[in-house]
Amino acid sequence: RKEVEQDPGPFNVPEGATVAFNCTYSNSASQSFFWYRQDCRKEPKLLMSVYSSGNEDGRFTAQLNRASQYISLLIRDSKLSDSATYLCVVNTNAGKSTFGDGTTLTVKP
Amino acid sequence: DGGITQSPKYLFRKEGQNVTLSCEQNLNHDAMYWYRQDPGQGLRLIYYSQIVNDFQKGDIAEGYSVSREKKESFPLTVTSAQKNPTAFYLCASSIIGGNQPQHFGDGTRLSIL
Repeated sequence: RKEVEQDPGPFNVPEGATVAFNCTYSNSASQSFFWYRQDCRKEPKLLMSVYSSGNEDGRFTAQLNRASQYISLLIRDSKLSDSATYLCVVNTNAGKSTFGDGTTLTVKP
Repeated sequence: DGGITQSPKYLFRKEGQNVTLSCEQNLNHDAMYWYRQDPGQGLRLIYYSQIVNDFQKGDIAEGYSVSREKKESFPLTVTSAQKNPTAFYLCASSIIGGNQPQHFGDGTRLSIL
């Protein structure tokens, strides 16, 4: 079993839709959590950190459930420009990062 | 502008040849990392370093070597022992600490001639 697991998708949604991605992790010592966005043939870019109380950045909301060991990313009012692969990243307190394989989102007109 | 610079953007390797990928950062980060990404796959850790003159193997270190002679620089050599080197190579850096995200360079695509 992988340390960090994501549904690979692809998720195909129309513009304006709300879409949610989940990510589960197996290491209960994990301390910090992030979502990255990776466009085709580009490097991953930090989208947002995930805080225990949940956090929002515009149309993006991230949630953490430590008891169930999963994090989620909700995208509201999807735009064409949101089409990308979304990577879940989990850090231990030693600073080791483990990346999920990513979930691919395609937003269609 | 602070950031991470990888070069070259594209690289071709002949059979039996060693090639070196450059990674330089001016973010004053202590930790640096090298990842490999194959098409449609996630990132796999090759090597990482948290301090000058020290580095550790990641999950797929065989066929690769690194050095960390300066804080700003973490070059990766793909040796002839790496039989399947074609991939997208990503360098990242971060402040040391479990709650710090990594920041990536824009990658090097390596192909076999």
